[in-house]
Amino acid sequence: GNSVTQMEGPVTLSEEAFLTINCTYTATGYPSLFWYVQYPGEGLQLLLKATKADDKGSNKGFEATYRKETTSFHLEKGSVQVSDSAVYFCALLGGNEKLTFGTGTRLTIIP
Amino acid sequence: DGGITQSPKYLFRKEGQNVTLSCEQNLNHDAMYWYRQDPGQGLRLIYYSQIVNDFQKGDIAEGYSVSREKKESFPLTVTSAQKNPTAFYLCASSARQGAADTQYFGPGTRLTVL
Repeated sequence: GNSVTQMEGPVTLSEEAFLTINCTYTATGYPSLFWYVQYPGEGLQLLLKATKADDKGSNKGFEATYRKETTSFHLEKGSVQVSDSAVYFCALLGGNEKLTFGTGTRLTIIP
Repeated sequence: DGGITQSPKYLFRKEGQNVTLSCEQNLNHDAMYWYRQDPGQGLRLIYYSQIVNDFQKGDIAEGYSVSREKKESFPLTVTSAQKNPTAFYLCASSARQGAADTQYFGPGTRLTVL
């Protein structure tokens, strides 16, 4: 079946540091890939997505590239801010038409 | 503004009681979903509905029930048969299920069983 493996958290960085959160997946066919963000006490918000190999999703300074050869969709940001502190979920939408989530990575940015 | 609303934000229940969580969307989406989130875990699918008057079990449907009488509404009932109901419940919708359409989430309901 489909699965998503995310970098274990929590991750703590200083403001303006470079961020990478690793995400790899297992799926049959050609899934769509997503990053969602969850701020404390809230639901999930779509951060970015990519629907085919080599697509790059980007939003609010975050980027992720759909790498079929390495089955990865790593999230990156060049300079993080305190307001980026949240839990980040990688997810895939596969041929079974269901969204499969990773376990989430808690990110804390310190000033 | 279009979006998904869930109510209440916090809900307390005594053991043995059924409780219903509300989910409403005004996005004109066909598909709606219910997920459960536990600490340190990803989201798990409880039920989903592709169209009015139709719904399917997800991965953890035991102890839950749903209805889809209107396009904009998809309430979830947590029954007394659910052994460990304390969790954060999230409702989502997408334009069409099965078309790789993005799912959009509500703010969630935190259920605590006393």
